[in-house]
Amino acid sequence: SQKIEQNSEALNIQEGKTATLTCNYTNYSPAYLQWYRQDPGRGPVFLLLIRENEKEKRKERLKVTFDTTLKQSLFHITASQPADSATYLCALGGEGGGADGLTFGKGTHLIIQP
Amino acid sequence: DTGVSQNPRHKITKRGQNVTFRCDPISEHNRLYWYRQTLGQGPEFLTYFQNEAQLEKSRLLSDRFSAERPKGSFSTLEIQRTEQGDSAMYLCASTTGTETQYFGPGTRLLVL
Repeated sequence: SQKIEQNSEALNIQEGKTATLTCNYTNYSPAYLQWYRQDPGRGPVFLLLIRENEKEKRKERLKVTFDTTLKQSLFHITASQPADSATYLCALGGEGGGADGLTFGKGTHLIIQP
Repeated sequence: DTGVSQNPRHKITKRGQNVTFRCDPISEHNRLYWYRQTLGQGPEFLTYFQNEAQLEKSRLLSDRFSAERPKGSFSTLEIQRTEQGDSAMYLCASTTGTETQYFGPGTRLLVL
């Protein structure tokens, strides 16, 4: 069955450092991978999308990599700030070219300490 | 604000009762998705509409669940004979032809 694994425990990072979150998947051939941010009691907010033929994407302090051979994505937040504290969700989609719903990981709870 | 809206934001019901949630997508978004999220888990896909047509349903969507999007605009999700295991956050998302999904704030359901 399809499986997505993210850092299973909370990740504590000191302010100003780079936070790196991991998303690994099995039994899936996504056309794209997305990262979302979710704050407590709120819906996920889209951050970045990377396609299967892309290696890296950047947006401001965010960077995502995608290795379809390793079946892994890394999500980096540089110069981290306490306001970056949230749960970050990895989501896969587009398998078989369909427009079906996204398959999400459990998320990584990121805490940026001042 | 022209984002996705969901109502109610919170719902407490007794086991066995029926509940209905509403989702208003971003205007002109033709695709609408429903997800369920329990504590400590990521959202799980339930069903998806393109305009008024329901194109995909997850095996998570039991016979007690029904969703509609009658005019291709807002959507409703009804749960009949609620069970305690139905307690969760129900999320709605919409999109155009792109892959990015825009989520609403969710409806938190508690079944007592």
